[in-house]
Amino acid sequence: SAVISQKPSRDICQRGTSLTIQCQVDSQVTMMFWYRQQPGQSLTLIATANQGSEATYESGFVIDKFPISRPNLTFSTLTVSNMSPEDSSIYLCSVAGTAKSYNEQFFGPGTRLTVL
Amino acid sequence: GQQLNQSPQSMFIQEGEDVSMNCTSSSIFNTWLWYKQDPGEGPVLLIALYKAGELTSNGRLTAQFGITRKDSFLNISASIPSDVGIYFCAGQLLGNQFYFGTGTSLTVIP
Repeated sequence: SAVISQKPSRDICQRGTSLTIQCQVDSQVTMMFWYRQQPGQSLTLIATANQGSEATYESGFVIDKFPISRPNLTFSTLTVSNMSPEDSSIYLCSVAGTAKSYNEQFFGPGTRLTVL
Repeated sequence: GQQLNQSPQSMFIQEGEDVSMNCTSSSIFNTWLWYKQDPGEGPVLLIALYKAGELTSNGRLTAQFGITRKDSFLNISASIPSDVGIYFCAGQLLGNQFYFGTGTSLTVIP
């Protein structure tokens, strides 16, 4: 499996500000994803982070609100822009396409965001 | 996006009992995955299934890839308190897109 770290692990932010979440993997991976999870809910895919090109966003998510970068095969960032209390959630980075497990998806520990 | 139907939504069982949960979809999947998520943590992969009919075990956990490729189930035998958590299924279509189930919350009563 891949070892994935996320920073920060949690944060409390003011309305109208932006937060950038970092995701680092210990090995090169083909795919990186960003999910949002409301308490007690399932995972909602925000976007697929593409290395060297613009991210692919799911319906309901736009680049202006959730800009994503993926400069290389081991790192990605998700920014939550112009935050409102409705953005309070857990944000999870995940990866797939490791050298040993192409069809398996692994998750980071998550970033718990609270917007006041 | 597409979501998988997972049942039951929640379970309350006595320690030592066996648990069974399943996941169904209207789509055919190439891979089925089962995860467990503890509070405040990211989901952890328990079992991966790659072929229709495949039955795979991981300790007290057993999962099967349905023959129709539209469903999968997870069994936990002789449950223990640390089995508490939320279990998610996930299916992968061609093109690498993963879809997640709605989750099963498991409570084990000592």
